[in-house]
Amino acid sequence: NAGVMQNPRHLVRRRGQEARLRCSPMKGHSHVYWYRQLPEEGLKFMVYLQKENIIDESGMPKERFSAEFPKEGPSILRIQQVVRGDSAAYFCASSPLPSDREDGYTFGSGTRLTVV
Amino acid sequence: AQSVAQPEDQVNVAEGNPLTVKCTYSVSGNPYLFWYVQYPNRGLQFLLKYITGDNLVKGSYGFEAEFNKSQTSFHLKKPSALVSDSALYFCAVKSDTSGTYKYIFGTGTRLKVLA
Repeated sequence: NAGVMQNPRHLVRRRGQEARLRCSPMKGHSHVYWYRQLPEEGLKFMVYLQKENIIDESGMPKERFSAEFPKEGPSILRIQQVVRGDSAAYFCASSPLPSDREDGYTFGSGTRLTVV
Repeated sequence: AQSVAQPEDQVNVAEGNPLTVKCTYSVSGNPYLFWYVQYPNRGLQFLLKYITGDNLVKGSYGFEAEFNKSQTSFHLKKPSALVSDSALYFCAVKSDTSGTYKYIFGTGTRLKVLA
């Protein structure tokens, strides 16, 4: 049973380009969470999605960032017109049930985005 | 505001010695506390959690954590460290801001176990 798969592992983009980060949840998991880890900081919540729905995007920057989790296929985190400050590790996690206070998540290995 | 603090960037311990990785928290209401471990080039792995009940929580790989309400702490411990325990450890609290539960993570503590 494969865990949470994220690709690519490393992504280099020039300023102004678009970055697309993919996350395939564990089999049977329909809830996906994206977190971002800036250098020297802890992981910070970005967005929580269920299939075809955004449940909570309170951690997403208002501009240039979007996320989707279609009925078929992986969840996508999209960053348009990247800037140097977007350089970070982006982690995806999944769970089989709606997020509650008690469950632990399964995290992917992350995508390390470098903007040059 | 809810927050988690890990006061030590790095902890060094000799193999076979007990280890402690510190975590303090600030939440309104009941805390739901977690520890995760991150090995190089891997995702975070769940170690243990405190939701309610016994203050001493046992988790994976021989780790345990002690919840102390008066000191608002949730320190991670292991009686005898292994070199393979060397990794980055994150403390986290679950918070239900914006109507859904989500993690607030500390900045992480790098544990180095020396042979």
